[in-house]
Amino acid sequence: EAGVVQSPRYKIIEKKQPVAFWCNPISGHNTLYWYLQNLGQGPELLIRYENEEAVDDSQLPKDRFSAERLKGVDSTLKIQPAELGDSAVYLCASSQGGGGPYEQYFGPGTRLTVT
Amino acid sequence: KNQVEQSPQSLIILEGKNCTLQCNYTVSPFSNLRWYKQDTGRGPVSLTIMTFSENTKSNGRYTATLDADTKQSSLHITASQLSDSASYICVVSAGGGSYIPTFGRGTSLIVHP
Repeated sequence: EAGVVQSPRYKIIEKKQPVAFWCNPISGHNTLYWYLQNLGQGPELLIRYENEEAVDDSQLPKDRFSAERLKGVDSTLKIQPAELGDSAVYLCASSQGGGGPYEQYFGPGTRLTVT
Repeated sequence: KNQVEQSPQSLIILEGKNCTLQCNYTVSPFSNLRWYKQDTGRGPVSLTIMTFSENTKSNGRYTATLDADTKQSSLHITASQLSDSASYICVVSAGGGSYIPTFGRGTSLIVHP
């Protein structure tokens, strides 16, 4: 069974440019998460989806970040415009459900470098 | 504020030696605690998960313990291997109807031959 798929794996852009990341969760997983991970830090939750509904987006900087999961399957995270401080790894994870003992399965991440 | 503190920040050991990583948390109400292993350039992979009633859980050479009274957990690695070199992240999830995972910063483990 395929794991969580993310693309691209690496992205280098100039500041003020837009960028988008794509995630395809494990088949049948209703819950999808986007995390931001800075070097030497643990992941920080940006947004959590239950099917197509964003149920926790309190940490998402909504002035420049947006996300969607239109059909409750794959998801896109967008940054527009990107800033130097956005350089980080963006992780996507999925689980069968939210909360409880459901394990989160992580993708390999997209490493973003903003120059 | 929910917090997860891990120690040490980094650790270097020789191959074959044992080591123990620590995790202290202030997450309330407590739902479960997971330890993840994250290899460089990869996403985290779950090693163990423990709920309130569990105080130990093993996965091969990895053994996690949980003391819910003192809000402490440890991850013990036995007979370390070079492939154990990675970051180990403690994640505590809150209960009470709202799911909020709180991640520690991780302990960076380097195993030298």
